[in-house]
Formats: sequence, structure tokens, C-alpha cells
Amino acid sequence: GAGVSQSPSNKVTEKGKDVELRCDPISGHTALYWYRQRLGQGLEFLIYFQGNSAPDKSGLPSDRFSAERTGESVSTLTIQRTQQEDSAVYLCASSLETSGGAAQFFGPGTRLTVL
Amino acid sequence: ILNVEQSPQSLHVQEGDSTNFTCSFPSSNFYALHWYRWETAKSPEALFVMTLNGDEKKKGRISATLNTKEGYSYLYIKGSQPEDSATYLCAFIRGSTLGRLYFGRGTQLTVWP
Repeated sequence: GAGVSQSPSNKVTEKGKDVELRCDPISGHTALYWYRQRLGQGLEFLIYFQGNSAPDKSGLPSDRFSAERTGESVSTLTIQRTQQEDSAVYLCASSLETSGGAAQFFGPGTRLTVL
Repeated sequence: ILNVEQSPQSLHVQEGDSTNFTCSFPSSNFYALHWYRWETAKSPEALFVMTLNGDEKKKGRISATLNTKEGYSYLYIKGSQPEDSATYLCAFIRGSTLGRLYFGRGTQLTVWP
């Protein structure tokens, strides 16, 4: 596709349920990133992938959060046993490489609301 | 904790005014500094990627400078237009954790016609 896409655009779930958020990066981009923005906060790094590997998972807030990437393409962020503090906009981005010298291209985000 | 500070937090200007914002970041272990523009209901869009001390980048009416020794970058907008209204984010990358962007909280710019 022309840009980074994410689905769903909105997700409302009940506390304790599991959710999966999907990201389709720009074709050919080897690097993929997940961020979140909670209300009133800045963009918070969660994890990044170089190919299908995740060299830095240190931003994941708890062991309820996991992510995977397959085929150097689509990525899924899974949140188990959601809590109200998980409510946020989850953004995915991709770039040509992860050296830091390449601009990141962001998707439209998934707004997650945990009731 | 790695602090990236942006100021001011918000700014209101009249159409035609020129304006500038500041991004402060750690001066040690610098690798790159990114600027993004985030308009309401859209995705963040890259403006500049800066890697060298003294870098100056320009895109239309928007320009940016970088001082890695003292740890700051300025973003300038000349002759602001209503369509420039957005949140401007800077993000710092350090050499030891390539791939990880540390974002500031942004400067929210509103340009009144």
C-alpha cells in the first residue's frame, strides 16, 4: 500500500479481555515501531523490529504486552488481560532501516478504550 | 530516564507571524534528532532528520538548526499560515539504542487567520 495502515481504527473492550492490534508497514521497510500515547502524555516507545526480530523490547510496560512480526511485513501487538491504564492511541511506524538516520512513517493509529 | 524537553508547550500566533520552538536533549551519546508535525486527526509526518552538529535543514517556510554540543534544536516557521497549525514533535536518538526514538511532548501551534 501507499502508507502504513493499522486496524482496527477504534477498539472498545472490557477490562480483562485480550486485544490484538495490527500494523501493515510500507512495503520494503525493514524497520517497524510501536508507540502509544495516553491522554495528556507524550509518545511512548514500546518496541521496534528489525526484520522479524525485536532487538529492543524494553519499552513494553508489562508482560501483558507482546508483539510479533512475520514475513518482514505485518506486525501484531497483543495486550492480554487489558487494564484501564492501557487505554491509549497505539501508533505504528515503519522506516527503511533502524540506524536512526531514516525518517519514520506513521500509521493513523488505533484508539483503544478499556472500560 | 532520558529527558527531551520542548518549549513552549503551546503557542498562538497570527497569520503571517514568524515563530520558533525549542527542543532540548542530552548532549552525550547523540546520534540523530527528528522533527515531526502532527496535525489533528492525521498521522505524524516527518519534517527533518538531523545528524550533524551545525546542521541546518529547510522545507519551504520551515527550517531547523541543530547544536549537538549543547543539546538543542530550533524549529522556525516563517510567515505562519493556518495550515501550519499542528503539534510539532522532536525525537532524540542516542548512539547506544539505535532504533529507539525518545519523543518530547511537543509544541502545539495554533495560527489564527
